[in-house]
Amino acid sequence: TQLLEQSPQFLSIQEGENLTVYCNSSSVFSSLQWYRQEPGEGPVLLVTVVTGGEVKKLKRLTFQFGDARKDSSLHITAAQPGDTGLYLCAGADTTTDSWGKLQFGAGTQVVVTP
Amino acid sequence: SAVISQKPSRDICQRGTSLTIQCQVDSQVTMMFWYRQQPGQSLTLIATANQGSEATYESGFVIDKFPISRPNLTFSTLTVSNMSPEDSSIYLCSAKGGGNQPQHFGDGTRLSIL
Repeated sequence: TQLLEQSPQFLSIQEGENLTVYCNSSSVFSSLQWYRQEPGEGPVLLVTVVTGGEVKKLKRLTFQFGDARKDSSLHITAAQPGDTGLYLCAGADTTTDSWGKLQFGAGTQVVVTP
Repeated sequence: SAVISQKPSRDICQRGTSLTIQCQVDSQVTMMFWYRQQPGQSLTLIATANQGSEATYESGFVIDKFPISRPNLTFSTLTVSNMSPEDSSIYLCSAKGGGNQPQHFGDGTRLSIL
């Protein structure tokens, strides 16, 4: 079983500050997804990264996949209250599991106050 | 990306009864999965719903408690049987295409057992 360690568990910041969430594993993943979930809704896909060293940007969000495809980070610049939510990283290894089952991190609850 | 609809969105049930949750995808998908989530926490995979055959269950989950059907490539059901208060949770359906295609989620079913 591949373990994805996500940190921190909880992050409370003021609007305009920056934040970084980390997702680490000792195992290699074929792909890694980041989701954001708001209360009463299902997780919404933010990004998928598949190439070691890959960096993807989505407005103020920057996602990075480690060179060895074992870790990832999500950086939010100038956070806004709308960024509040539960951030989940999830990895899949299709070389060992053709179904692409996801291994989820524990989640990071981000609260951005005005 | 696929749009996934779950019904019901929430329910309150008596212990000892059973509830069937439906998951409808707006396009044909390769894989469908069922998860359980406690509010504010990460997702735990219950099973992979296989089209035309028995579901594949993760450790700790059994068919008698969580029977699953997947009669075609766009629809699946999860039944929570003989419910007890410990089954109170959010149940989520997800779907994906093959390979490194990402999973997309429904909005979940919030289940409370009295």
